[in-house]
Amino acid sequence: AQKVTQAQTEISVVEKEDVTLDCVYETRDTTYYLFWYKQPPSGELVFLIRRNSFDEQNEISGRYSWNFQKSTSSFNFTITASQVVDSAVYFCALGGVTDSWGKLQFGAGTQVVVTP
Amino acid sequence: EPEVTQTPSHQVTQMGQEVILRCVPISNHLYFYWYRQILGQKVEFLVSFYNNEISEKSEIFDDQFSVERPDGSNFTLKIRSTKLEDSAMYFCASSVTESTYGYTFGSGTRLTVV
Repeated sequence: AQKVTQAQTEISVVEKEDVTLDCVYETRDTTYYLFWYKQPPSGELVFLIRRNSFDEQNEISGRYSWNFQKSTSSFNFTITASQVVDSAVYFCALGGVTDSWGKLQFGAGTQVVVTP
Repeated sequence: EPEVTQTPSHQVTQMGQEVILRCVPISNHLYFYWYRQILGQKVEFLVSFYNNEISEKSEIFDDQFSVERPDGSNFTLKIRSTKLEDSAMYFCASSVTESTYGYTFGSGTRLTVV
């Protein structure tokens, strides 16, 4: 069975601090995809990143960076120099697994609160 | 950039009434999905749809739910007899391939059952 765990329910930071969100996943498949989505107070799901299981190269995109470690089944996400607009719920998701190709399995989400 | 469009953005209905939530997927996408998010909870998969058939459904997707692609553009979710616990945000999504490539969510329909 597939499972995504986001152990942090809420993280509060002051603007300009860095925020790291943890995501641990479980799957028996060797091929899968991992996602991060942002859900601002307005409610929509904003796609941030998709990584396949063969691509462990970590990446930085502006203030966002990702740390994918297959050995520990973790796919962590960092916001550098946080801003008030980063306040949202962030979801990690697992997809593309055998016999359930199109289904995304979401974690419980982490609420990020950035105060000025 | 292509979008998945959902209408209405907010719907209020009385318990026991039927509701139809509408979605227009991205035009070249072949795989379609519905998800549900009860307020304050995680996003949960309901159903996937391909080639006019349900590919997979969750245990949430019971007999009171149905999906349809009535024409070449719309993808609908029908709830036959709404219950209070059906109040949630419903997201439609579509993708180019089965393996989640190009996976795109709509902005959601907030359903309130009173």
